[in-house]
Amino acid sequence: DGGITQSPKYLFRKEGQNVTLSCEQNLNHDAMYWYRQDPGQGLRLIYYSQIVNDFQKGDIAEGYSVSREKKESFPLTVTSAQKNPTAFYLCASSIDRWGHNEQFFGPGTRLTVL
Amino acid sequence: AQSVTQLDSHVSVSEGTPVLLRCNYSSSYSPSLFWYVQHPNKGLQLLLKYTSAATLVKGINGFEAEFKKSETSFHLTKPSAHMSDAAEYFCVVSERNQGGKLIFGQGTELSVKP
Repeated sequence: DGGITQSPKYLFRKEGQNVTLSCEQNLNHDAMYWYRQDPGQGLRLIYYSQIVNDFQKGDIAEGYSVSREKKESFPLTVTSAQKNPTAFYLCASSIDRWGHNEQFFGPGTRLTVL
Repeated sequence: AQSVTQLDSHVSVSEGTPVLLRCNYSSSYSPSLFWYVQHPNKGLQLLLKYTSAATLVKGINGFEAEFKKSETSFHLTKPSAHMSDAAEYFCVVSERNQGGKLIFGQGTELSVKP
């Protein structure tokens, strides 16, 4: 089946630890995105990548890092510098880089900092 | 700068009655507009999209939306609500040629009473 997978579904982290969230897509999409969702709020963009080996900061990039070494993979690292990392994280991809088409979303990873 | 305002944070309807979820947008250029639905602890699913073709857009599960440029609105409607429609709905605008970045509304929670 084609689609976007995120793992793990639930993740627990101790304060001060870095943690990496996985996002993989087999849709052959150029663009990939990471969003953060907090209760009662819309999604906020963390990072995005329009092409392999290139990525851009979104609106709330501080405390996060990404890489895009392969077209199908866009992992997100939540570093200890992120002051309030507990949230629901969603990865998305799109066939085009310019916003003409919709984004397809993964099932999400819920991160809880203990 | 572009923005999206969903006018109701929560809407409650009875099963079998019409649904109206309101959305206003602000955009400097001709936008692409989307409605997404999110069930609890799930990713987002595209309901429908407007990309400068027909102003009345039909989506999945009986939903439709009308793009009204003069009113900068993109309200979502459904003639008859079903229990399975209970979810969070997001109105989203994409500014073209801006890296495919999406701007999300705050979301409207739809409750459906039996």
